[in-house]
Amino acid sequence: DIQMTQSPSSLSASVGDRVTITCRASQSIANYLNWYQQKPGKAPKLLIYGASSLQGGVPSRFSGTGSGTDFTLTFSSLQPEDFATYYCQQSFSTPWTFGQGTKVEIK
Amino acid sequence: EVQLVESGGGLVQPGRSLRLSCIGSGFTFGDYALNWVRQAPGKGLEWVGFIRGKPYGGTTEYAASVKGRVTISRDESKSIAYLQMNSLKIEDSGVYFCTRGRVILQGPYMDVWGKGTTVTVSS
Repeated sequence: DIQMTQSPSSLSASVGDRVTITCRASQSIANYLNWYQQKPGKAPKLLIYGASSLQGGVPSRFSGTGSGTDFTLTFSSLQPEDFATYYCQQSFSTPWTFGQGTKVEIK
Repeated sequence: EVQLVESGGGLVQPGRSLRLSCIGSGFTFGDYALNWVRQAPGKGLEWVGFIRGKPYGGTTEYAASVKGRVTISRDESKSIAYLQMNSLKIEDSGVYFCTRGRVILQGPYMDVWGKGTTVTVSS
């Protein structure tokens, strides 16, 4: 199985900060990497697919980069509604696997 | 509006069975894969398995943790997908999400999620 490792596991940031979350795959997954946002008690929401394609309706302050084994999710300017947990997920091969999550909290 | 709604969760004893349902609306149900993803209390997301859409043969794949104990099926006439879970274990407890799967050039992804249904396995 492909292991997905996110860093950091949690971070504290202020509104307006530029924030980057990293996701590393245990083997190359090309660009088959998706990012999801989950708020407490809610279902996850797709943010980015194919490593860098923004899902419709997602604000342009979110961006994704990377290919192979290393990927990043960046918030250009953190907004109050962005405080949540973020998961990366590989869809290169089954079983599809998720990172352990990164919790973004208010400083 | 594209929507998925899960149902069927509840309290069940270890070793028993449970069937979850997922009703889709607002899209051509048969054209899409349907996944099940679960989340244990306070934990991360775990993919359980999927059933491909009709154009892709309607075949299934499962996570090793559930293979042999679960079956995913679909009824196109009712736009419903099912997750049949047998020999339930305490570690199967959690919220179960149904998701719509898309496959494009950039790879597969899950673009629509239901709100989830809670399964509690306990004696």
